[in-house]
Amino acid sequence: KQEVTQIPAALSVPEGENLVLNCSFTDSAIYNLQWFRQDPGKGLTSLLLIQSSQREQTSGRLNASLDKSSGRSTLYIAASQPGDSATYLCAVLPSGTYKYIFGTGTRLKVLA
Amino acid sequence: EPEVTQTPSHQVTQMGQEVILRCVPISNHLYFYWYRQILGQKVEFLVSFYNNEISEKSEIFDDQFSVERPDGSNFTLKIRSTKLEDSAMYFCASSGNEGGGNYGYTFGSGTRLTVV
Repeated sequence: KQEVTQIPAALSVPEGENLVLNCSFTDSAIYNLQWFRQDPGKGLTSLLLIQSSQREQTSGRLNASLDKSSGRSTLYIAASQPGDSATYLCAVLPSGTYKYIFGTGTRLKVLA
Repeated sequence: EPEVTQTPSHQVTQMGQEVILRCVPISNHLYFYWYRQILGQKVEFLVSFYNNEISEKSEIFDDQFSVERPDGSNFTLKIRSTKLEDSAMYFCASSGNEGGGNYGYTFGSGTRLTVV
């Protein structure tokens, strides 16, 4: 059974720091992995999607990597800003199913 | 950019009542999904729908729940005889390909259901 774990659960950093969020999953048979952002009480905003055949994806200050064989993905945020404060969710789509399996998220607070 | 639209954004209902949550997926998408997130917990899969039938459902999706695509644009989740524990944020999603293709799934902004 696929399980997704995210560490740390919460992170507080001063503005301008580069930071790394971690996601691990137990079964490497996946279609893809998505990183989402969720603001309090709000919906899910897709940040980056990495296909199983890819190693990384970049969008602006965000870079996500995927090491399928070791069951790990990282989300790198460069030069963090207070507006980056949110919960970041990692989700994997296992091969042969339609359902994303989500992690519990990392709650990020960037201090001005 | 195309988006998935959900209505209402917040619904309060009495325990035992029926509710219908509505979603308008992206127009050329063929696969539709419902997820839910109980406050403080993980986002959980409920059901996927393709070609006018359920393709996969979770243990949560029991006889209390049903989905329908009543016309060419809407996708609905009906919850019969609501319970307090049904209170959650419900997310609709759609995708153009099985497995999400190059774009993954696009999620709506959610409906917060509060059962009192």
